[in-house]
Amino acid sequence: GAGVSQTPSNKVTEKGKYVELRCDPISGHTALYWYRQSLGQGPEFLIYFQGTGAADDSGLPNDRFFAVRPEGSVSTLKIQRTERGDSAVYLCASSPGGTGTDTQYFGPGTRLTVL
Amino acid sequence: GESVGLHLPTLSVQEGDNSIINCAYSNSASDYFIWYKQESGKGPQFIIDIRSNMDKRQGQRVTVLLNKTVKHLSLQIAATQPGDSAVYFCAEIAGGSYIPTFGRGTSLIVHP
Repeated sequence: GAGVSQTPSNKVTEKGKYVELRCDPISGHTALYWYRQSLGQGPEFLIYFQGTGAADDSGLPNDRFFAVRPEGSVSTLKIQRTERGDSAVYLCASSPGGTGTDTQYFGPGTRLTVL
Repeated sequence: GESVGLHLPTLSVQEGDNSIINCAYSNSASDYFIWYKQESGKGPQFIIDIRSNMDKRQGQRVTVLLNKTVKHLSLQIAATQPGDSAVYFCAEIAGGSYIPTFGRGTSLIVHP
């Protein structure tokens, strides 16, 4: 079946603009995660959804970042007033449940460049 | 703070050789460890995992070893192939958590 998909694959924006990044998880997966990955680094946790609710948003760096998952499937990561330091690859992952040992399946990521 | 890290940023091997990628962790509360493979332009892909009540686990051509005494994790790849070329990350999850903490990664380059 289809894996996790993310759109767009690349996004270039100007400093101060608003962006939305979309994640389509594997069908039936209740858990969804957003990560940010800088060059040469491992993914850094941002937020975790169990169903429609954000179970853990402790990784969001500040209030410019927000994510939603209104129907418990597709999720959108929203970044307001983008800064150059927001440039990174944003990864989404989903898993069947929300336990720590459930395998997370990652999407290909969205590469965000803030000029 | 506690962290997960890798000893070698780049490992170059010849096709057919065995590869060993190492990882040190410092969070004694971690009880679940995962190795991921990330190819260029793709997201991380699960390879193998191990729980803290084990010291060795084998998969297809891969073996993970866990030494809790020195907080060390390794990934062994047998008969390395060019398709194994990628960045490899270890990740740890503390007991009761569901969020993996990733190390920096090791780039494996396999020469034909």
